[in-house]
Amino acid sequence: GNSVTQMEGPVTLSEEAFLTINCTYTATGYPSLFWYVQYPGEGLQLLLKATKADDKGSNKGFEATYRKETTSFHLEKGSVQVSDSAVYFCALSPNTGFQKLVFGTGTRLLVSP
Amino acid sequence: DGGITQSPKYLFRKEGQNVTLSCEQNLNHDAMYWYRQDPGQGLRLIYYSQIVNDFQKGDIAEGYSVSREKKESFPLTVTSAQKNPTAFYLCASSMGTEGLDTQYFGPGTRLTVL
Repeated sequence: GNSVTQMEGPVTLSEEAFLTINCTYTATGYPSLFWYVQYPGEGLQLLLKATKADDKGSNKGFEATYRKETTSFHLEKGSVQVSDSAVYFCALSPNTGFQKLVFGTGTRLLVSP
Repeated sequence: DGGITQSPKYLFRKEGQNVTLSCEQNLNHDAMYWYRQDPGQGLRLIYYSQIVNDFQKGDIAEGYSVSREKKESFPLTVTSAQKNPTAFYLCASSMGTEGLDTQYFGPGTRLTVL
């Protein structure tokens, strides 16, 4: 079946540090991949997505590249800010049939000044 | 502004009571979804609807019911049969239900059973 594995948190960084949150997946076929962000007490917001191998999704300084050979979609940002503190969810969706999102367990990021 | 609204933001319920969570969208999306989020876990799909007057069970439908009488609205009822209803509930919608259709989420309702 389809599944997503994320690194456990919390990830604690100082402002302006480099961020990597690892995400690997198991899926049949070629899924679409997503990163969602959840700020405290709020719903999920789509951060970025990639729909095929070697695609790079980017938004607000965050990037992730769809790596089919390593079944990975790691999230990166060159310089984090305090306002980036949130929970980040990696998710996949099969590209055929019903679009059932399968989520990872989330990784909490804490950025200190 | 287009978006998804959920109400109320916080909801308290006594054991044995049914409660209904509201979800409305003005994005003209055909598909709508309900998820449950528990601490330290990812989201789990409760129900989804691909079109008006049709809905399907997700992975954890027991103890929940839905209706889809209007395109814009997809209310979720948490019944007394749901054994552990305290959770954060998220509604989402998408243009369609194919893999390339992105799901957009509402702000959520936090339900606490007293």
